[in-house]
Amino acid sequence: NAGVTQTPKFQVLKTGQSMTLQCAQDMNHEYMSWYRQDPGMGLRLIHYSVGAGITDQGEVPNGYNVSRSTTEDFPLRLLSAAPSQTSVYFCASSYAGQGKTEAFFGQGTRLTVV
Amino acid sequence: DQQVKQNSPSLSVQEGRISILNCDYTNSMFDYFLWYKKYPAEGPTFLISISSIKDKNEDGRFTVFLNKSAKHLSLHIVPSQPGDSAVYFCAAPNSGGSNYKLTFGKGTLLTVNP
Repeated sequence: NAGVTQTPKFQVLKTGQSMTLQCAQDMNHEYMSWYRQDPGMGLRLIHYSVGAGITDQGEVPNGYNVSRSTTEDFPLRLLSAAPSQTSVYFCASSYAGQGKTEAFFGQGTRLTVV
Repeated sequence: DQQVKQNSPSLSVQEGRISILNCDYTNSMFDYFLWYKKYPAEGPTFLISISSIKDKNEDGRFTVFLNKSAKHLSLHIVPSQPGDSAVYFCAAPNSGGSNYKLTFGKGTLLTVNP
């Protein structure tokens, strides 16, 4: 059981370039989210999805786009990379059933924008 | 406005002793809390949770205590082991308890010395 898989693990971009961070989960979870972690900070929510075709903004959405065409995949797109987007990005998925359940995280993508 | 606060960036304890990690919150609507553990270059992994209808939840060496009147929770690890050395995040769902919108504290780096 792979859980939540993120690719790539590392990426260096030049300012202005665009790229897509991939996230896939094999647990049939309805909910998926993207977070970024910066030094000395907790994880901050970028975008989230409560099901295929449904996405919404989190705390720090500017400069990022998402889509959710399938239950399994939730890619994060950087439209025009900026040095302020240098960060570690984590994708998470969780079950939408009754009761409070935990979110499962991927291994992260370390992005450097130069 | 930080809704989940972990005021101790780091904590160092001896192997076999108790580790106590603290977390405060400001949003009285929070009714569920999670602790995540994170090793370097890995994603956060769920450790333990607590609902606001309880004041204690125990899982092996890990116990979380919740004091609602003080808006304070703590994670106790007894006995501490070197493998417990990691960053610990306190988190709370901020959308009716749904776990796709987690608010995280900044984390506490725990070092357990042999």
